[in-house]
Amino acid sequence: LAKTTQPISMDSYEGQEVNITCSHNNIATNDYITWYQQFPSQGPRFIIQGYKTKVTNEVASLFIPADRKSSTLSLPRVSLSDTAVYYCLVGAPMTGGFKTIFGAGTRLFVKA
Amino acid sequence: GAGVSQTPSNKVTEKGKYVELRCDPISGHTALYWYRQSLGQGPEFLIYFQGTGAADDSGLPNDRFFAVRPEGSVSTLKIQRTERGDSAVYLCASSLSKRGDRGEQFFGPGTRLTVL
Repeated sequence: LAKTTQPISMDSYEGQEVNITCSHNNIATNDYITWYQQFPSQGPRFIIQGYKTKVTNEVASLFIPADRKSSTLSLPRVSLSDTAVYYCLVGAPMTGGFKTIFGAGTRLFVKA
Repeated sequence: GAGVSQTPSNKVTEKGKYVELRCDPISGHTALYWYRQSLGQGPEFLIYFQGTGAADDSGLPNDRFFAVRPEGSVSTLKIQRTERGDSAVYLCASSLSKRGDRGEQFFGPGTRLTVL
């Protein structure tokens, strides 16, 4: 399983765009990149997933360069409620499930 | 719709006791995962099931930990001879896990286990 590296914490202010970068130098050909968000006292929640280039949904965008050795989660115009821990995972979704490894994640603090 | 539920939400026990933690996955989800999360850490993979069978139990820390899913739905995580170091939040997740699915896991709220 590819190991991921993310910043331990980040600070931002309301209304700003936040970019969290994840390194995954050993990503395998079949691996996808998935991001989860976790609020205190809750389980993680899926945000976005991508394989290459750019993916956008109503919550975030995910940028993946051609070599796929890193990815950047972009949160547009954050609010106080975006304060959470964000996890980057790499793995190959397969029929039947797959072992999932979470790192320590990035703690995002959004200030007023 | 109903999400993943876990019971109890909190469990306090004494060192050496036996505990059972229950997970009710989303109906129709064939894959079920157990994780353990300590304060300030990411979820630590313990085991996952595909149907009734444990597809990967490599994360179980030792033989005091055991999990079952006899009918392919509800799962129980069992911990024998609990130790203070077992104190953590135990998270359960389920996923649809069919061909073409992105593997999104839906998590329950967790069970906070405290071993005194």
